Amino acid sequence: SQQGEEDPQALSIQEGENATMNCSYKTSINNLQWYRQNSGRGLVHLILIRSNEREKHSGRLRVTLDTSKKSSSLLITASRAADTASYFCATDARQAGTALIFGKGTTLSVSS
Amino acid sequence: DGGITQSPKYLFRKEGQNVTLSCEQNLNHDAMYWYRQDPGQGLRLIYYSQIVNDFQKGDIAEGYSVSREKKESFPLTVTSAQKNPTAFYLCASSIGQFQPQHFGDGTRLSIL
Repeated sequence: SQQGEEDPQALSIQEGENATMNCSYKTSINNLQWYRQNSGRGLVHLILIRSNEREKHSGRLRVTLDTSKKSSSLLITASRAADTASYFCATDARQAGTALIFGKGTTLSVSS
Repeated sequence: DGGITQSPKYLFRKEGQNVTLSCEQNLNHDAMYWYRQDPGQGLRLIYYSQIVNDFQKGDIAEGYSVSREKKESFPLTVTSAQKNPTAFYLCASSIGQFQPQHFGDGTRLSIL
């Protein structure tokens, strides 16, 4: 059961540029989370935004949430080569009552 | 340092064989999860446990089994009934349901 879908599937940018990834979901949520995965490694939690929040910042990361459109975006400013990774959104799918549901991810490649 | 340890990093299974993947956490988290990751598929939930001695099936539980006899441990057995076990397996834990998850570095399982 795929709840969140990231867009685009892949993104290639130059160092110093901003990277924007989007996540759309289908059912009501309590919170939405973004994770990062370096190749061959486990996921790392980046940021959690609650359904009553519209925007949240953490360092070079900015997350927005629009519950009316059932969508979220992750902006990475001034990208670095070290930001190269896959990024996943995860939602709690309130009605499912089980565990977080992860999307398929956006693969970001930052070249120097 | 607190974290999640998965072992082994690489595992090979012969036809008809059961294999067990280990997952140990020292974060004092109540909830633990097993995911399967195939290329381009994102994460799919196999089993999760909210508390010791209790666990629930996820989206793709067929051919897998788990136990949760201790808070720190949540081993996953890939049985011979799982006909396509080749994948990257990730274990995670969280303080509670829908809270940020901490991941191990995965076990890559292949068929001999």
